[in-house]
Amino acid sequence: DADVTQTPRNRITKTGKRIMLECSQTKGHDRMYWYRQDPGLGLRLIYYSFDVKDINKGEISDGYSVSRQAQAKFSLSLESAIPNQTALYFCATALAGGRGYNEQFFGPGTRLTVL
Amino acid sequence: QKEVEQDPGPLSVPEGAIVSLNCTYSNSAFQYFMWYRQYSRKGPELLMYTYSSGNKEDGRFTAQVDKSSKYISLFIRDSQPSDSATYLCAMNTNAGKSTFGDGTTLTVKP
Repeated sequence: DADVTQTPRNRITKTGKRIMLECSQTKGHDRMYWYRQDPGLGLRLIYYSFDVKDINKGEISDGYSVSRQAQAKFSLSLESAIPNQTALYFCATALAGGRGYNEQFFGPGTRLTVL
Repeated sequence: QKEVEQDPGPLSVPEGAIVSLNCTYSNSAFQYFMWYRQYSRKGPELLMYTYSSGNKEDGRFTAQVDKSSKYISLFIRDSQPSDSATYLCAMNTNAGKSTFGDGTTLTVKP
């Protein structure tokens, strides 16, 4: 089955460490997104990419960076992790064009804890 | 102020009840309205989408959009314990990114 996978699924790290979260997809979608989810705050967009050469900041990009290594891979980095980056992180993909409602397909999430 | 406001919940209902989940929005440019369902420890999945004002029905689920009031709803009839999840409304223009509500957690008790 075409899928969206995230690694790692869980990570505990310390303040100041550099962390990379990886996302891979076999759906053949051009659009990829990174969100964080906090209790009571819903899904907030960190970065998104419409193709390999297109990277855009979302509403909460400070403290994060991304890399689109290929159509199928989109990585999120925390250069120097801080405790308020503790959250559930989701990667999502969507098909470009056609469907205006932009259905997004989400990975299983990465639970990150920064001590 | 947030572009999308969702009734916070949590909501707890007995099996068989009718459930109403609601969102309001402020951006008139939103054209597409979606509901995602998220089970515990899973990513959200699209449940329904609508484009215009009016109702759209899919089995026990009905999505309703009132663009004049900037208000959308999801109704669940004959609710089942398997409907227990967090429901997120989402909206987008043609720009390829969606704005999500904060989610409402629903528990349906047997």
